[in-house]
This record gives sequence, structure tokens and C-alpha cells, in this order.
Amino acid sequence: GESVGLHLPTLSVQEGDNSIINCAYSNSASDYFIWYKQESGKGPQFIIDIRSNMDKRQGQRVTVLLNKTVKHLSLQIAATQPGDSAVYFCAENPYSGAGSYQLTFGKGTKLSVIP
Amino acid sequence: ETGVTQSPTHLIKTRGQQVTLRCSSQSGHNTVSWYQQALGQGPQFIFQYYREEENGRGNFPPRFSGLQFPNYSSELNVNALELDDSALYLCASSLKRGGPLADTQYFGPGTRLTVL
Repeated sequence: GESVGLHLPTLSVQEGDNSIINCAYSNSASDYFIWYKQESGKGPQFIIDIRSNMDKRQGQRVTVLLNKTVKHLSLQIAATQPGDSAVYFCAENPYSGAGSYQLTFGKGTKLSVIP
Repeated sequence: ETGVTQSPTHLIKTRGQQVTLRCSSQSGHNTVSWYQQALGQGPQFIFQYYREEENGRGNFPPRFSGLQFPNYSSELNVNALELDDSALYLCASSLKRGGPLADTQYFGPGTRLTVL
């Protein structure tokens, strides 16, 4: 994958504000998308997913929007809390037709919540 | 917590050695995928195992190999370690139901491998 070293895009938000994290995906054949949250020293934690036949899906305090026309995905976090501070990855799953479901991850965005 | 466990947590090896990493999948899951995550980057797919057979492979050389056991746990083996193999190795388990729809993958905490 493309290397970004340690210089992740960073988003700083005030506690209580809404956060929007954006992701451009690469494969127009992708039919499944997932947002993961990764805290330092831990594995990625599932947040929310969406399939290509939808353009919006809501969870608890989170909303994912999918725009297939421009291959863009966004994660909205309502009332951001300090515990939301982490690196957020979008992942896409291009259907290969062979039954193998490998995730391709984006570069990640570091969210910092200011108390 | 996902119920996916990995061992060991940390490991230090020297160049040329071999390493085996282990993963126990979440209860009820039948598929395990392995990913390599270099510092500051997103995870990269290594391979997936389903019903004890490799079910897809990413762009990794043959010295990366794996196994899945009847209880769906899995091992990742890396031979002839190189300095660039230093990374966090993640396994993810999922339930393959069949058909064209992808199944959600849930990740373990990872094994941090350092190659000196």
C-alpha cells in the first residue's frame, strides 16, 4: 500500500462537537465498507459498516455516508468525547468472485479530542 | 472486546530466524484473516483461511505461510525474517456464511514483532 510514514492526517475537535472523518476509496468494484477505530497499542475495533446498496447508515452516535459516484466514504461522530481519540481507518472489500474477502485499508486519520 | 485472542503479545527475533504467531478466533467464527501493520500505516492483508485451507492471499512472499486448525484457530509462520518484517501482526475472525456478501471481520489485539 501507499506509505505515509508517521504523518497521518490529523483532525482536532473540541469535546462535544461533531467530527467528520473522510475517506476516498480506490476500487469501484468494492461492495462493502467498514470503519475501524484503533487506539494506541490495540487492534482495530469495528465501529460501523455499510454495503454498496445503501448510502447512509446510522449507529449509536455514528453515521456512515457512502457516495459511490465519487468513491467517497465519511464517518460522522456526534458529540465527540475524549474516549473517541484514536486513529480511524476506512476499509473496503472488493468482491473478487472467488469467495475471498480481503479488506483494503485507507491511510488512517488521527482524531484528537480537546477537553 | 471481540473475543479474538493472539499470542504472544510481543516478540523479538533476529534476522534469518523463523517465527510462529497464534490466533484464536471468536466463538462461532470459521474464518481467520491475517494482516501486517507497519508503524503509522493501515493493515495490509496477508492471507485468509477458511475450512483449514488458504482462501485468498495478498502480496506477500511464500516465506509467509499459515495454518488453520479444526477448531478454527490459526497460525502465521514467517521464515527467514527480514528487518522489514518488524510490524504489528493482526488476525481477524469472521463467519463466512457463503454467497457474495462479505462478512464483518473482528480483530484481535495483535502481536508486535521486532526483528533485529
